[in-house]
Amino acid sequence: QSALTQPASVSGSPGQTITISCIGNSSDVGNYILVSWYQQQPGKAPKLMIYEGGMRPSGVSNRFSGSKSGNTASLTVSGLQPEDEADYFCCSYAGNSTWVFGGGTKLTVL
Amino acid sequence: QVQLVQSGSELKKPGASVKVSCKASGYTFTRYPLIWVRQAPGQGLEWMGWINTRTGHPTYAQGFTGRIVFSLDTAVNTAYLEISSLKPEDTAVYYCARGGGGGFYFDHWGQGSLFTVSS
Repeated sequence: QSALTQPASVSGSPGQTITISCIGNSSDVGNYILVSWYQQQPGKAPKLMIYEGGMRPSGVSNRFSGSKSGNTASLTVSGLQPEDEADYFCCSYAGNSTWVFGGGTKLTVL
Repeated sequence: QVQLVQSGSELKKPGASVKVSCKASGYTFTRYPLIWVRQAPGQGLEWMGWINTRTGHPTYAQGFTGRIVFSLDTAVNTAYLEISSLKPEDTAVYYCARGGGGGFYFDHWGQGSLFTVSS
């Protein structure tokens, strides 16, 4: 299966709101609510930020939210803070016990 | 607390094999599936597949079948990824992660194991 499509980079100033898109197709994002988002700081392992489209694990700031419309999932980060600067990856269930990741988006806090 | 601790980094020659371990603690090992993810230098995450820790049944992603094998030792709560016939393009960090929510998302990750394939 093909990787989900994410913008290579997104930027915003502290306090602003940004949205990262994740475009799939009717076999993955469009067919399941099972989209998750991961934050990866340089040299670190990924960290789960959003699951099942819009659920937050315990300990993740409510500044992070997820949504989905059709074949596109989105991660919104409100009230940007310097520590939000990282790479973000979406991931979707793609049926038949398989998953697919997005190419990743580098978030820069200006 | 839940922890996944992976084996250390290795340098391998092309054609060799490598086996990375992922030792779980802080939860019942056989209740959650284990996935494997590859990240080439400067690249994104790539889902390699997963193993059912209750039955030992593996599922491999297209493009990885044939050269990788997932296995378990449930007596020591450890999963293994073995890659044979290594190529330079296998140079990457390999992560294991626990499948939460029935396996539909990955809620805890190992620290990663870097394999460098070079002659």
